[in-house]
Amino acid sequence: EPEVTQTPSHQVTQMGQEVILRCVPISNHLYFYWYRQILGQKVEFLVSFYNNEISEKSEIFDDQFSVERPDGSNFTLKIRSTKLEDSAMYFCASSGDKDAYNEQFFGPGTRLTVL
Amino acid sequence: RKEVEQDPGPFNVPEGATVAFNCTYSNSASQSFFWYRQDCRKEPKLLMSVYSSGNEDGRFTAQLNRASQYISLLIRDSKLSDSATYLCVVNIQNSGYALNFGKGTSLLVTP
Repeated sequence: EPEVTQTPSHQVTQMGQEVILRCVPISNHLYFYWYRQILGQKVEFLVSFYNNEISEKSEIFDDQFSVERPDGSNFTLKIRSTKLEDSAMYFCASSGDKDAYNEQFFGPGTRLTVL
Repeated sequence: RKEVEQDPGPFNVPEGATVAFNCTYSNSASQSFFWYRQDCRKEPKLLMSVYSSGNEDGRFTAQLNRASQYISLLIRDSKLSDSATYLCVVNIQNSGYALNFGKGTSLLVTP
């Protein structure tokens, strides 16, 4: 069964450092997403990406964040200068088409720890 | 982004019990509704979509009341493997199809 993969599974970084979280969405999917979940809190939407551009972003997704699809398979989230409050689980998701009921498949997540 | 509200629980029920979870959403423009399941420190996984007429998938039944902005999930004949956090999820259809999650309701099914 096709699945979304994410690397690394756990990233530890120092405050102020740049991190890149990587995702490989399901191969024939068209829509890509990043969400985050701070420990003990709800899953929060960060950004959606379609046709090589951002289609929506939340207020969390400020200038410190960027996304990129550098090739036909990877989808990355970059945090330029990490803060303590960026510590969270980051989930990548992908979905197939514009049908609102189409399932978003989530990857296993990258746990980011900012020290 | 408007809120999705759920009773956090925990709900502790014996095997075989029936349990119901409720959820309310505040944005009347919401168009798609889902229940996701999340195991501890794992990714959310779609349990079922929720349709206006209500729908059933085995032991799981979901209902939607658009007038009251209320969604429910009923689990019959609970199994130990049903222990998880159940997330009520709403999509406000716009350009990005972002999902808006509730905090989840924790279920523990005991022997």
